[in-house]
Amino acid sequence: GAGVSQSPSNKVTEKGKDVELRCDPISGHTALYWYRQSLGQGLEFLIYFQGNSAPDKSGLPSDRFSAERTGGSVSTLTIQRTQQEDSAVYLCASSLDNMNTEAFFGQGTRLTVV
Amino acid sequence: DQQVKQNSPSLSVQEGRISILNCDYTNSMFDYFLWYKKYPAEGPTFLISISSIKDKNEDGRFTVFLNKSAKHLSLHIVPSQPGDSAVYFCAASRYSFNKFYFGSGTKLNVKP
Repeated sequence: GAGVSQSPSNKVTEKGKDVELRCDPISGHTALYWYRQSLGQGLEFLIYFQGNSAPDKSGLPSDRFSAERTGGSVSTLTIQRTQQEDSAVYLCASSLDNMNTEAFFGQGTRLTVV
Repeated sequence: DQQVKQNSPSLSVQEGRISILNCDYTNSMFDYFLWYKKYPAEGPTFLISISSIKDKNEDGRFTVFLNKSAKHLSLHIVPSQPGDSAVYFCAASRYSFNKFYFGSGTKLNVKP
């Protein structure tokens, strides 16, 4: 596709369950980012992938959060044992490289933990 | 630690007038700045950027100004249109570093 695609667009899960969020970046983009936006807040950095380099995981809020990027393309963000405070919109973005180029965002996955 | 701050959560402007959105940052190492626009239920879309070697960048109705000494940037929209009503985020990064730091956003309402 032409843009960053995220699935599902909405996810409601019970507290304590695991969830997987998927991101398909723009073809050819080597950099991939995950952010989240909690209600009324700005965008919070979670994790960054660039090519074959080790990912920058410094924004992951706890060890319940993990992410993978397979084959330098699709990425999956996994949240284990979800908590209510995990409820947010999870946004994925990709960019051509990490040298001062803009990132293009997907539409986000709205996660609600009940 | 909020390195990028947007102190005005909302702004209301009459159609046809100028909208000025402000952003402050604390990290003097930032050298690339961007503005994104976000409509409800959509991801942010890139609007305009500026490198620290410039103090102004213009694209149609949108102009971004950078004041490095004050660590301040602003987005001017002239003339404002109702379709510009959205949340605007400013973001900053360091060259060759990976993270974009975002402000908390300013909700712009352009009244017809």
